[in-house]
Amino acid sequence: QSALTQPASVSGSPGQSISIPCTGTSSDVGAYDYVSWYQQHPGKAPKMIFFDVNNRPSAFSNRFSASKSGNTASLTISGLQAEDESVYYCSSYTTSSTWVFGGGTMVTVL
Amino acid sequence: EVQLLESGGGLVQPGGSLRVSCVASGFTFSSRTMSWVRQAPGKGLEWVAGISGSGETPHYADSVKGRFTISRDNSKNALYLQMSSLRAEDTAVYFCAKRLGLDTSSYYFAFDVWGHGTMVTVSS
Repeated sequence: QSALTQPASVSGSPGQSISIPCTGTSSDVGAYDYVSWYQQHPGKAPKMIFFDVNNRPSAFSNRFSASKSGNTASLTISGLQAEDESVYYCSSYTTSSTWVFGGGTMVTVL
Repeated sequence: EVQLLESGGGLVQPGGSLRVSCVASGFTFSSRTMSWVRQAPGKGLEWVAGISGSGETPHYADSVKGRFTISRDNSKNALYLQMSSLRAEDTAVYFCAKRLGLDTSSYYFAFDVWGHGTMVTVSS
């Protein structure tokens, strides 16, 4: 049950696009289309922003998109804004009927 | 409104035991798999345990297997995590989280509702 791999930090200027990769294995990310993404602000509970790879809750910004290829999933933020500064986590359901999270990526808007 | 409210956290000595609880409202509790997810201070999220709506199928992370027990009481809309043989590395905020999809669904394997968390500190 190793954690999924995410970069510790990603930064970009306002208006730019950034991507956060999330790498797993054939037992988690590569096994099913059950990757989800969460946004967490300091001191708050995580908030689901994508489920089942690329399904976004209707209330969440469409500047965010997500995808998956093989054992790697990705979250992309377009038109980066100051309010996007946060920590982002990927997660996947696994073949062992458990879940696994990535280590989290801090997004900084320069 | 869908809500999860955790309680029961506190300070416990290494080797000790503690039970944290989560009370749910606003949805059909018995139809959803529920999980506990923890976050050590300044660290990332770690899935700890999950249990099906019927309570028949618990699963655990390797880090807590044999020490933690997840259970639920659907008559009370309550989820529990009994923690024993606690270690310093178990110190964390423990979140209760609801699976998006029904247990009968082949989709929606994500956590759409989270509680505010309850802090567990293991220290002498």
